[in-house]
Amino acid sequence: GDSVTQMEGPVTLSEEAFLTINCTYTATGYPSLFWYVQYPGEGLQLLLKATKADDKGSNKGFEATYRKETTSFHLEKGSVQVSDSAVYFCALSDKSASKIIFGSGTRLSIRP
Amino acid sequence: DSGVTQTPKHLITATGQRVTLRCSPRSGDLSVYWYQQSLDQGLQFLIQYYNGEERAKGNILERFSAQQFPDLHSELNLSSLELGDSALYFCASSAVTGSVSGNTIYFGEGSWLTVV
Repeated sequence: GDSVTQMEGPVTLSEEAFLTINCTYTATGYPSLFWYVQYPGEGLQLLLKATKADDKGSNKGFEATYRKETTSFHLEKGSVQVSDSAVYFCALSDKSASKIIFGSGTRLSIRP
Repeated sequence: DSGVTQTPKHLITATGQRVTLRCSPRSGDLSVYWYQQSLDQGLQFLIQYYNGEERAKGNILERFSAQQFPDLHSELNLSSLELGDSALYFCASSAVTGSVSGNTIYFGEGSWLTVV
């Protein structure tokens, strides 16, 4: 079945460092891909999405490109801030959106 | 604010009891999803409803049930509660399914259930 694998955390970086959180997926067909973020004590928020190959999703300085050839959707940010500390989930859904499948989440901590 | 409203935000109850979690989807969204987030299981898909009918089922226990009402709000019923049911339960909603452009699913803030 469909699945999402993302790098294990926790990831700890200093402020202004470059961030990459790896995500790969297994799916039949052409899923839509998402990154969700969960700040401490809050629910999940959609961070960005891409719906077809080579699409780049971007928001709040974060970017991820839908790579069909490597079945990947890595999350990147050029300069992280303390406020980016959260848990990040990579996810996919099929075109019918009957469900969305999440990776296990990566906890990110940013040191001032 | 995602537009998805869940109540209650926090709930503490005893083992063996039954609780109902309520969800109001975003205005116009026909699909509702329920997820369970626990420390050891991560985010688990439970069930999806579309316009009142069950659409997809995930890892939902027989002690749990859900429904979506004509006004599109949904309720998740958890019965014979066990300590292991303690978790954060999320509701999410999305627009019309079957869109070739893909659907974005928006999450509520969750209902914290503690079983003691």
